[in-house]
Amino acid sequence: NAGVTQTPKFRVLKTGQSMTLLCAQDMNHEYMYWYRQDPGMGLRLIHYSVGEGTTAKGEVPDGYNVSRLKKQNFLLGLESAAPSQTSVYFCASTYGGLVLEDSGELFFGEGSRLTVL
Amino acid sequence: KNEVEQSPQNLTAQEGEFITINCSYSVGISALHWLQQHPGGGIVSLFMLSSGKKKHGRLIATINIQEKHSSLHITASHPRDSAVYICAVKGTAGSYQLTFGKGTKLSVIP
Repeated sequence: NAGVTQTPKFRVLKTGQSMTLLCAQDMNHEYMYWYRQDPGMGLRLIHYSVGEGTTAKGEVPDGYNVSRLKKQNFLLGLESAAPSQTSVYFCASTYGGLVLEDSGELFFGEGSRLTVL
Repeated sequence: KNEVEQSPQNLTAQEGEFITINCSYSVGISALHWLQQHPGGGIVSLFMLSSGKKKHGRLIATINIQEKHSSLHITASHPRDSAVYICAVKGTAGSYQLTFGKGTKLSVIP
């Protein structure tokens, strides 16, 4: 049981390049999230999905797009990378909506370190 | 927006000591999560609670809803407990967003 898998683990981009981060979960979870983690700040939500075919904006969505074509996969795209997008990106999933009654325990991927030059 | 404050920011303890990490938030919540981030960067969920107290091994989490405060306790600390501990809260509104604290970095010295 792999849990939540992110690819790639590391990537260096030049300003203006595009890339896609892939998150895959094998736990049949409905909810998936993309967060970024920056030094001195708490994790911040970029986009999330409450089920296959759905996506929604989080706290810091600008410059990112997402897709959830299959229940197990949640893709995060950067169309034109900027140095401000240098960060560590975490994907997470939950069976339910982040509360006990909904089995909302969070499962995280190992993180993807992105550097934009 | 909920403000989440953790204290202390950094904590160094001797092996075997009892450790307390605190989390305070500003607005009522429906759930609070405690997470552990390993030195290698991976994040695991330790507890999710909305009231009372939970225990798992040497870890204990408590929450006081009236005071908007939660604590994470580690008994008989061990060097392998060295990590960043993160508190996150979910508001009472129908939102899927968590507000995260900045974390408490714990170092346990043998």
